[in-house]
Amino acid sequence: QVQLQESGPGLVKPSETLSLTCSVSGASMNNYFWTWIRQPPGKGLEWIGYISYSGSTNYNPSLMSRGSLSLDASRSQFSLNLTSVTAADTAVYFCARGGTSSDLWGQGTLVTVSS
Amino acid sequence: DIVMTQSPDSLTVSLGERATINCKSSRNVLYSSNNKNYLAWYQQKPGQPPKLLISWASTRESGVPDRFSGSGSGTDFTLTISSLQAEDAAVYYCQHYYNIPYIFGQGTKLEIK
Repeated sequence: QVQLQESGPGLVKPSETLSLTCSVSGASMNNYFWTWIRQPPGKGLEWIGYISYSGSTNYNPSLMSRGSLSLDASRSQFSLNLTSVTAADTAVYFCARGGTSSDLWGQGTLVTVSS
Repeated sequence: DIVMTQSPDSLTVSLGERATINCKSSRNVLYSSNNKNYLAWYQQKPGQPPKLLISWASTRESGVPDRFSGSGSGTDFTLTISSLQAEDAAVYYCQHYYNIPYIFGQGTKLEIK
């Protein structure tokens, strides 16, 4: 059974970098795209970007180049870095599988941006 | 960006009845070269991640009950839940994946009467 699990700090200070990792278990990362999506508390879903198994990436331009994705297939992990965070980046961050629709999701992790 | 607008924002439907949720895209999401609509539907229950119900506008995911169906093409899409069950109470989102950035609709909250 394939599972995804997000990990990382739950609290980040304004202007610092948010770093999250998604661990994939139960399947190889090969031949899939891997995605990050976030959801501010009580609000809707925002697509952040995806990375392919070969390392190619696509990002939401709304992030204004603050986001970067990386993948380490040997560790079955992929990661999100979001720089210069503000309170507007407070959200539940989900990792998911898929470069079009996302058929498998982690449970999500709440990241709060606050001093 | 392609904007996705769902209607209604919320609805209440009786057990056993039919629920219809609409999703309109600001531009065509039908890719002419393969005749596929780049549109998905998700269900999200409180405290849970979204669950993919339908991809390519009308392809039901494995394990999704057949009371869920998707239809539409181009810019207008519909998610229909026939014979509502109590466990169908949730927020439903459409999402296009036609081009970057992928955008979700604002969500439709479905309550069961």
